[in-house]
Amino acid sequence: DTAVSQTPKYLVTQMGNDKSIKCEQNLGHDTMYWYKQDSKKFLKIMFSYNNKELIINETVPNRFSPKSPDKAHLNLHINSLELGDSAVYFCASSQESRGTYEQYFGPGTRLTVT
Amino acid sequence: EDQVTQSPEALRLQEGESSSLNCSYTVSGLRGLFWYRQDPGKGPEFLFTLYSAGEEKEKERLKATLTKKESFLHITAPKPEDSATYLCAVQAMNTGFQKLVFGTGTRLLVSP
Repeated sequence: DTAVSQTPKYLVTQMGNDKSIKCEQNLGHDTMYWYKQDSKKFLKIMFSYNNKELIINETVPNRFSPKSPDKAHLNLHINSLELGDSAVYFCASSQESRGTYEQYFGPGTRLTVT
Repeated sequence: EDQVTQSPEALRLQEGESSSLNCSYTVSGLRGLFWYRQDPGKGPEFLFTLYSAGEEKEKERLKATLTKKESFLHITAPKPEDSATYLCAVQAMNTGFQKLVFGTGTRLLVSP
């Protein structure tokens, strides 16, 4: 009965490779997000999608491309990985129409670029 | 620019020793202030949302309060299982309700 799930949990890859992280939510929410948490534990929003439409794109390099095939899924594809991309990436979701705005987070994907 | 500052960075308490965590914020019109708990290796877990100054919310040993400039998370008689990083985030009126701006968190360690 996992609410927000991500795969994989760990991802180790070399510089220059392309990788994807997948996210799924079964909460029936209409908005999904990607956050990056750096080594100092600072959590920063990257993207948000509402009903498959891109709403927020926080000056993220265009090597990062989110894709939302439907309301329950939001994937993150990263091209030409760099050392600085090493971080924990969290997916989250929320439901705008309820009038409460809390976001629910997945367990995270730890990306290590060597 | 919206900013959130949390203090202290780290806090060590003995079991049963009550204390408070602080979250100071600067935002152009507050829509909501959020508290999350994050355990090592896990995603943030939602605790509370506060919308207006004077509002308070409670959950077990935790109580969150809000003023026009800051929020406090009071922990009463903490137990070791309360050990975690507590994150504060704000949502501004003018940036839509998707964007949360987080602080860097307070790492709480409760010793038996």
